[in-house]
Amino acid sequence: EVQLVESGGGLVQPGRSLTLSCAASGFIFQDHAMYWVRQSPGKGLEWVAGITWNSGTIGYADSVKGRFTISRDNAKNSLYLKMNSLRFEDTALYYCARDLYYETTGFNAAFDLWGLGTMVSVSS
Amino acid sequence: QSVLTQPPSASGTPGQTVTISCSGSTSNVGSNSVFWYQQLPGTAPKLLIYRTNQRPSGVPDRFSGSKSGTSASLAISGLHSEDEGDYFCAVWDDSLSVVFGGGTKLTVL
Repeated sequence: EVQLVESGGGLVQPGRSLTLSCAASGFIFQDHAMYWVRQSPGKGLEWVAGITWNSGTIGYADSVKGRFTISRDNAKNSLYLKMNSLRFEDTALYYCARDLYYETTGFNAAFDLWGLGTMVSVSS
Repeated sequence: QSVLTQPPSASGTPGQTVTISCSGSTSNVGSNSVFWYQQLPGTAPKLLIYRTNQRPSGVPDRFSGSKSGTSASLAISGLHSEDEGDYFCAVWDDSLSVVFGGGTKLTVL
C-alpha cells in the first residue's frame, strides 16, 4: 500500500527538542522530494520544510529556519524533522507529504500523498 | 495573516456551482502554478487540482481550476453534500517558500 506514516510527536516543554520521522512505503521514495507541512489546531496549513530527492536542495519556512532540520535516508525510506528550541507556536499536527513530480531540483506546492500526521504540543 | 487570501467561508445547495477565490501577488500566483487541496473533517488534505487546472486521477470533473493574473479560482459544480469541508490553495512563492491560503470552509446547505 502506498502510504506515509509519521511518528515521534508528543508533549514537550518550550526550548526542548523533538525529532519526527516519516516512514514511506509502496512507492520509490528516492524519486520524490519530500516535505513537512503543519496545521495548528483549528487553523490553516503551513509549509515547514522541503528536501529534494537527493538532498541537493533543502528549504525552510522563515518561522523555523535555524531551529528545524529536515533530512532523509533513502536506504531506509524515511524522512526526518529535527526540531530544536521549540516554541508554543510550534504546536501543531505535523504532516509528511510527497512531491507529485519526480527528481525535481527545486520545490513546488504539489503534495500528492499525505500521512495522517503526528501531533506536537509545546507546553510548560 | 496568510500570503494568499481566500474567503473564510462559502456555501451552496446541492446541485449548485460554488467558486472559491485565491488572491496572491506577482511573486506567487502571478508567476507559478496553483494547487488546490480538499480537507474533509478529521482527515488529511487531498490534492484536488494541480498545475492550476489539472485534476489528479480519481477527482471528479465537477472540480475545476483557473487563474487570471494574480488570482486563481476553484469551481465546484453540481455540489454534493460530501463536498463539505475546507479548501486550501497553495503556490510556490519566489521568496523561496510554499505559501498557502487561509482556507475556505465550504458548507452544503
